[in-house]
Amino acid sequence: EAGVTQFPSHSVIEKGQTVTLRCDPISGHDNLYWYRRVMGKEIKFLLHFVKESKQDESGMPNNRFLAERTGGTYSTLKVQPAELEDSGVYFCASSPPGTSGYNEQFFGPGTRLTVL
Amino acid sequence: GNSVTQMEGPVTLSEEAFLTINCTYTATGYPSLFWYVQYPGEGLQLLLKATKADDKGSNKGFEATYRKETTSFHLEKGSVQVSDSAVYFCALRRTGNQFYFGTGTSLTVIP
Repeated sequence: EAGVTQFPSHSVIEKGQTVTLRCDPISGHDNLYWYRRVMGKEIKFLLHFVKESKQDESGMPNNRFLAERTGGTYSTLKVQPAELEDSGVYFCASSPPGTSGYNEQFFGPGTRLTVL
Repeated sequence: GNSVTQMEGPVTLSEEAFLTINCTYTATGYPSLFWYVQYPGEGLQLLLKATKADDKGSNKGFEATYRKETTSFHLEKGSVQVSDSAVYFCALRRTGNQFYFGTGTSLTVIP
C-alpha cells in the first residue's frame, strides 16, 4: 500500500512568488492534515480536512495560505505571496475515517520550502 | 493550553549506550501521548504510543511510560544502534485530531 506522498520534495522561491504544495493521502483516508515545522521549532498544526470539508483551520497563519481538497482526494496548499518566514518543512498526514483520538496519523516525507 | 516540551539536542551517543530523551507535556484532561521518529529523507513514523496513565508504549526496543503525576513521557532504549540515528518527536493528542508536537531531538549514534 502506498504511503502519503508529497510534491515537490524541495522548493526554492523568491519572496513575493507563489508556491503550491501537493499531498496525496493514503487511499481511503478521509482525514487529511497539514503541519509545518519552521527551522528548529516544533511541528505545528495548520489545518484538517474531512473529505473535502475543512474541519479545523485554526492553525493557518494568515490569509496568504490557501488549502483545498477538491473531490476529497489529494490536497494542495498554496502560499501567495510567499514571505521569508514561510520557510520550513510542510508535512501532510492522513488517517482513516473517524475521529478517534487513538488513530495514528500517517505522515508524508514533507516538502522543504525555502523563501529567499 | 496544550504543549509539549522535549529535551534539546543534538544528542550523540556511542553504539550500545543507554538513551533517554525527556518529554513533558501540558494538557487539559487526559491526552494520548506519542513518539514519532523521522529517519533521514523519510516522513514521520509512529514509534510508540500510550493512551492512558501508567500505560507503557514499546517498539523496536524503545519504551516510554505515561506518567500523569509528573506529566512526562520520556523515551528510553537500553542499547542504541547506528540505525537509530534520527530525529525523535514527542507529541500529544487531545479530543479531536490535532497533534501537538515538541521541537524534536536529533540523535546521532556513532560506531
